[in-house]
Amino acid sequence: SAVISQKPSRDICQRGTSLTIQCQVDSQVTMMFWYRQQPGQSLTLIATANQGSEATYESGFVIDKFPISRPNLTFSTLTVSNMSPEDSSIYLCSATGTATNYGYTFGSGTRLTVV
Amino acid sequence: EDQVTQSPEALRLQEGESSSLNCSYTVSGLRGLFWYRQDPGKGPEFLFTLYSAGEEKEKERLKATLTKKESFLHITAPKPEDSATYLCAVVTGGYQKVTFGTGTKLQVIP
Repeated sequence: SAVISQKPSRDICQRGTSLTIQCQVDSQVTMMFWYRQQPGQSLTLIATANQGSEATYESGFVIDKFPISRPNLTFSTLTVSNMSPEDSSIYLCSATGTATNYGYTFGSGTRLTVV
Repeated sequence: EDQVTQSPEALRLQEGESSSLNCSYTVSGLRGLFWYRQDPGKGPEFLFTLYSAGEEKEKERLKATLTKKESFLHITAPKPEDSATYLCAVVTGGYQKVTFGTGTKLQVIP
């Protein structure tokens, strides 16, 4: 299965600023996703990152707040814009290939604290 | 709307005390069910994929089973290093949407 590098691993940001999280996969993958995991909660899908086109957002998440790029088959970024303390969470990148038999691989996550 | 429910929310076992974690789901068009392990401060680590009712997968002390409505993760003679949160997830839809359960936090006491 693919190996995912995600950075930064953690950051503390001022409210009103933006943070861009990078996700690099060591092989070409079909699909890439971004999740949010709030403290003590499970994972919530933010969006599917589509290569060469606009991301597909889940209900409750909008492009203006969480712009996503995926310029090629191995790289994606998620920006958390105009941050507020409610955005404090762990953000996870995930990827899968053409078959799901090995599941969806996850990065180690970015722990974001907004003060 | 797809729903995944895991129980119990938390489980405390003595080392060597076998038990099972439950994942029940209500989805349309199940394409697969995953089990993950998540340690604090880390991303989920893939354990198993199950595709159809009756299927079973094993890895060391873990065994996952699947029926048409639920999946079980059986832990045989657990060790303290098995302490983690275990997540269940289902894959549905044409673009393989993944829905996660809320997890079971397992603590194994020496």
